[in-house]
Amino acid sequence: GESVGLHLPTLSVQEGDNSIINCAYSNSASDYFIWYKQESGKGPQFIIDIRSNMDKRQGQRVTVLLNKTVKHLSLQIAATQPGDSAVYFCAEIGSGYALNFGKGTSLLVTP
Amino acid sequence: SQTIHQWPATLVQPVGSPLSLECTVEGTSNPNLYWYRQAAGRGLQLLFYSVGIGQISSEVPQNLSASRPQDRQFILSSKKLLLSDSGFYLCAWSADRGRGYTFGSGTRLTVV
Repeated sequence: GESVGLHLPTLSVQEGDNSIINCAYSNSASDYFIWYKQESGKGPQFIIDIRSNMDKRQGQRVTVLLNKTVKHLSLQIAATQPGDSAVYFCAEIGSGYALNFGKGTSLLVTP
Repeated sequence: SQTIHQWPATLVQPVGSPLSLECTVEGTSNPNLYWYRQAAGRGLQLLFYSVGIGQISSEVPQNLSASRPQDRQFILSSKKLLLSDSGFYLCAWSADRGRGYTFGSGTRLTVV
């Protein structure tokens, strides 16, 4: 079936650097995408979303880029901080109501 | 503002015992409701979703069932738990398809 996947399972960055987390999806009908942050033992926390009629959206220190041609989604975190250490998931909606999640990327911010 | 509540936070249950996890949403009406399960170090697997009272869609056949007795209440149940039912169970709501999806704090279930 259709799936959402992450390019890298782990990412280590230095504090203050920018982070880029990538995600590939396979469902060409996907029209809504969300990035979540999940800290250990907690539920996923909404970071930013984007619809398929956009290719870029910015929030506070975060930017999501969507390339529909190659079915690729990325999350950019500017000036990464220790509090950004967590697992990040991309999720998409295709034809149904519910989100389909990728496996997640663990981001580790080192001092 | 809208809030979502899940309880209990942790639960240890013996194999063969029943299960009931409850999720409620406040501050909105007619939400879409979802149950997900997350195995350790893995992504989230959709179990059930509901677009209205009494309307339940099952994504994965298994030892679990869901019910929506009230507009803002979603219950996950099992008559007899299996060891493989252990995991982190998450409830979520959305105002509509493609409009925000907010998760609860989750229930850590360990079946022993």
